[in-house]
Amino acid sequence: KAGVTQTPRYLIKTRGQQVTLSCSPISGHRSVSWYQQTPGQGLQFLFEYFSETQRNKGNFPGRFSGRQFSNSRSEMNVSTLELGDSALYLCASSLSVRGQGAPGEQYFGPGTRLTVT
Amino acid sequence: AQSVTQLDSQVPVFEEAPVELRCNYSSSVSVYLFWYVQYPNQGLQLLLKYLSGSTLVKGINGFEAEFNKSQTSFHLRKPSVHISDTAEYFCAVWGGATNKLIFGTGTLLAVQP
Repeated sequence: KAGVTQTPRYLIKTRGQQVTLSCSPISGHRSVSWYQQTPGQGLQFLFEYFSETQRNKGNFPGRFSGRQFSNSRSEMNVSTLELGDSALYLCASSLSVRGQGAPGEQYFGPGTRLTVT
Repeated sequence: AQSVTQLDSQVPVFEEAPVELRCNYSSSVSVYLFWYVQYPNQGLQLLLKYLSGSTLVKGINGFEAEFNKSQTSFHLRKPSVHISDTAEYFCAVWGGATNKLIFGTGTLLAVQP
């Protein structure tokens, strides 16, 4: 099976712009989670989508939003970019089906490196 | 609320030496515990997991971890490391109350020849 893919891998944006990142989960996985990774804050949970619905949310401002499509692919959007949004954004997918796999057993993509100048 | 503490931000070790990366968690309910590894410029890869049963869990690449409920620890060990094990290792806890995977701050394992 193909792994989790994320596009683009690298992105440079200017402060004030907006950006959309894409994530394709492993085939059959219905849950997609997004994380922000920075040297200072480490790995922080952004949100999780399951069956096109946001099921869980971290403590990020409303500038960060996401959605999931019927094929489980997910997008994350950040509006009005700030310098502090520079980070590696990781997407992870999981089965999230009762009796299959374990909660927390997530499979990560390679990430999108976002640089805001 | 669940939390994870990785006391060592960096662990230098010589090749072929044993290593232990420490992880402590706090939770008032039963948890699932995980170790993930991140190689440079890559995403995270699942090393091993503890869900229930035997407290000694074996993972990929020769790593193992021991769940100790009384000490709320889940330390990662490898008897003999290789240069290729150089990476950042993250301990994580999944708690039913939050339905989130909570990560520790990571430990950089630096294997020297």
